[in-house]
Amino acid sequence: QVQLQESGPGLVKPSQTLSLTCTVSGGSISSGGYYWSWIRQYPGKGLEWLGYIYYSGSTYYNPSLKSRVTISVDTSKNHFSLKLSSVTAADTAVFYCARGNYASSGYWAQYYFDYWGQGTLVTVSS
Amino acid sequence: QSVLTQPPSVSAAPGQKVTISCSGSSSNIGINYVSWYQQLPGTAPKLLIYDNNKRPSGIPDRFSGSKSGTSATLGITGLQTGDEADYYCGTWDSSLSAGGVFGGGTKLTVL
Repeated sequence: QVQLQESGPGLVKPSQTLSLTCTVSGGSISSGGYYWSWIRQYPGKGLEWLGYIYYSGSTYYNPSLKSRVTISVDTSKNHFSLKLSSVTAADTAVFYCARGNYASSGYWAQYYFDYWGQGTLVTVSS
Repeated sequence: QSVLTQPPSVSAAPGQKVTISCSGSSSNIGINYVSWYQQLPGTAPKLLIYDNNKRPSGIPDRFSGSKSGTSATLGITGLQTGDEADYYCGTWDSSLSAGGVFGGGTKLTVL
């Protein structure tokens, strides 16, 4: 059974960089086939996809956040990480990591999340 | 403002059936596969339906999904009090701003 666990500071100051790590157990990131993703949920409940990384290091980010988001992977530690720069109070949310299933033919795309971490609340405040 | 549109809330009595709609556009639901997630209070979302109408192992057949044009629907039959949760649809958007997108979520109340 695959399990994901987020870790990182629960409080970040405005203008600083939010950093989170997702540790995967029960499966190896380097096996390939999955797109390791970050998703956040605002206090008002909406979900926002932030981006994904493949085991090879290939990434794809939400265009609206592209300039502030960086996702990296460390296959030796079986974890992947999120950095969100220049945060403001509007970035306060519960952050989830998830295992993404992605496929595309050029005519259609499939993208869904079959395993999720429990989520971690990050508050941006001075 | 979510890319996909869902009703904020639906309700039905135990044992009844309910449907939750998810409306998108030609660049997302119109051409791509839809997934559905259940979020019980205080927990992470859980995959209910993928590829429009497929259920992961362990999801009862009371849950079903369908898609027509640029809209998708989640159906739940034989409602139970334990089904009371938030439900989200998701897909890939293939527009110039391509990426994963979600609906705003629907709160299901089992009366």
